[in-house]
Amino acid sequence: DTAVSQTPKYLVTQMGNDKSIKCEQNLGHDTMYWYKQDSKKFLKIMFSYNNKELIINETVPNRFSPKSPDKAHLNLHINSLELGDSAVYFCASSLGTGAYGYTFGSGTRLTVV
Amino acid sequence: DAKTTQPNSMESNEEEPVHLPCNHSTISGTDYIHWYLQLPSQGPEYVIHGLTSNVNNRMASLAIAEDRKSSTLILHRATLRDAAVYYCILRARAGGTSYGKLTFGQGTILTVHP
Repeated sequence: DTAVSQTPKYLVTQMGNDKSIKCEQNLGHDTMYWYKQDSKKFLKIMFSYNNKELIINETVPNRFSPKSPDKAHLNLHINSLELGDSAVYFCASSLGTGAYGYTFGSGTRLTVV
Repeated sequence: DAKTTQPNSMESNEEEPVHLPCNHSTISGTDYIHWYLQLPSQGPEYVIHGLTSNVNNRMASLAIAEDRKSSTLILHRATLRDAAVYYCILRARAGGTSYGKLTFGQGTILTVHP
């Protein structure tokens, strides 16, 4: 039973294309996140939704658009992909309080060629 | 966001205890101390967290200084599978401007020798 599942696991696409990454959690958490890990291995938060409401929107190009149809799903759509978007994208979920840990998905490795 | 400071890397031998330090001198009274590990090509994995008191779970122990300005993650007997990047992170309670987000630093790369 995968707690936080992301699809696809690998994504290779050409510059200029539009792509989506899907994330689903079955933990009953109320908050979901997207993180980006670049080639230098730094993990940076991109977005967070709490009960379908956007609560964190870091400095991310507006080509990136998250969508949360319900609190168990958080998808990431990327328009006009650029070489610099190549990275590993992690979805995570948690209860929205410091007293709980995050559960991360296994990541989506996006390669833009 | 309150910052943490960790050594870039540490080494240990298998079967020996490992003490991973973390400094967080600007911690606020409502920040929780969280630890995560990341194995190569995998997502971060929750290890343990605490507020004021020391904590134990099946994976590790967390020792928190009395003034809360530092903490130590203790792996009681290192195994080769413990080789990973370990992140010490302060997580604020919900309701603040950080919305309880985790802000990752560079972490400590732990190497375990057989």
